[in-house]
Amino acid sequence: AQTVTQSQPEMSVQEAETVTLSCTYDTSESDYYLFWYKQPPSRQMILVIRQEAYKQQNATENRFSVNFQKAAKSFSLKISDSQLGDAAMYFCAFLLKKLVFGQGTRLTINP
Amino acid sequence: DTGVSQNPRHKITKRGQNVTFRCDPISEHNRLYWYRQTLGQGPEFLTYFQNEAQLEKSRLLSDRFSAERPKGSFSTLEIQRTEQGDSAMYLCASSAERQVSYEQYFGPGTRLTVT
Repeated sequence: AQTVTQSQPEMSVQEAETVTLSCTYDTSESDYYLFWYKQPPSRQMILVIRQEAYKQQNATENRFSVNFQKAAKSFSLKISDSQLGDAAMYFCAFLLKKLVFGQGTRLTINP
Repeated sequence: DTGVSQNPRHKITKRGQNVTFRCDPISEHNRLYWYRQTLGQGPEFLTYFQNEAQLEKSRLLSDRFSAERPKGSFSTLEIQRTEQGDSAMYLCASSAERQVSYEQYFGPGTRLTVT
């Protein structure tokens, strides 16, 4: 069975600075997908970024980028130039047939 | 594309009552998923459909839970004889099989409170 671990329950960062959220996972599969989802307070889950396991190149979406280390089963999210609107719960998720989520990291942005 | 919709958004019920939630996926999506999220936790998989076929059910889905997707469009999730432990946010998501990454789009959820 696949598991996803987010070891940082809470993180905070100053506005305009950079923050990295950690995620590790466990699987015996070689072909899968990884995602970071954002869930603002009382709002729905939205996709931030995706990574295909067969791709060595790290995914980037504007201010969001990942550091995918397949051998280490690590998938961290870097948010550059943090903005107040980035405040949310962030979930790392593993997809084979269904999504398996981590416990989440609550990100606070300090003005 | 109107997104995934869920109704009702909130439901308060007394222990022992039955409740039913509805999910309308994005129209061209053939896969539909149900997840349960308790406060401060990540969503947990309950079940998923490809068209009208229910392909997988989690052990979390006790015999009090049933899900249907009769015509491969909307889906319903019914909980019979609700218990206080059923209080949670129930999330629906959909995806298109043709998408390479099977990206799932989530609805706003139905928050269930069992008193």
